[in-house]
Amino acid sequence: GAVVSQHPSWVICKSGTSVKIECRSLDFQATTMFWYRQFPKQSLMLMATSNEGSKATYEQGVEKDKFLINHASLTLSTLTVTSAHPEDSSFYICSARAMNTEAFFGQGTRLTVV
Amino acid sequence: DAKTTQPPSMDCAEGRAANLPCNHSTISGNEYVYWYRQIHSQGPQYIIHGLKNNETNEMASLIITEDRKSSTLILPHATLRDTAVYYCIVRVEPLGSARQLTFGSGTQLTVLP
Repeated sequence: GAVVSQHPSWVICKSGTSVKIECRSLDFQATTMFWYRQFPKQSLMLMATSNEGSKATYEQGVEKDKFLINHASLTLSTLTVTSAHPEDSSFYICSARAMNTEAFFGQGTRLTVV
Repeated sequence: DAKTTQPPSMDCAEGRAANLPCNHSTISGNEYVYWYRQIHSQGPQYIIHGLKNNETNEMASLIITEDRKSSTLILPHATLRDTAVYYCIVRVEPLGSARQLTFGSGTQLTVLP
């Protein structure tokens, strides 16, 4: 299957700082990318959907000014957690799909805010 | 998308077949059944999907009942590495759609040595 790579795999940051997570589709052009968040022992919750070259669509309850999403190319989307707080600590997962394919997921990024 | 119901957990002996059930009694005629799994601290992995007919690939088999109200994912020879949470997802039109996948709580499969 297609490969989606996230970087970093884990990150620890201080409260109040910003963290950027990258999601790359390595062998296909992703017309759409999705960002999910997963808290311990819970399922994945969709945060936002982004299409290349356009603004992301955020799910209800997700602050767009706090979770900045950029999808500047067909192979790269970034999620920036701004002014991170301990409650933002979570497992962030991206997913990418091209037309006529199923969704492929990155390996996830474990964010810990201290 | 139709709602799915899965048992919260199951155990399976290593080397035996693992049969994971999923109920989707409100499924519509144009909705597909997808299966993904998530190994601990990793992103979900696509396994298989189907509409009406049974499907098989190198990872698993998908058996869909004739009325399509339920399905079973079969891992023919489970290994310890198959321990994961398995998600059954029902959604419309898999191809050409940019809609996201909606994950339920899934089934925690534990393969025992």
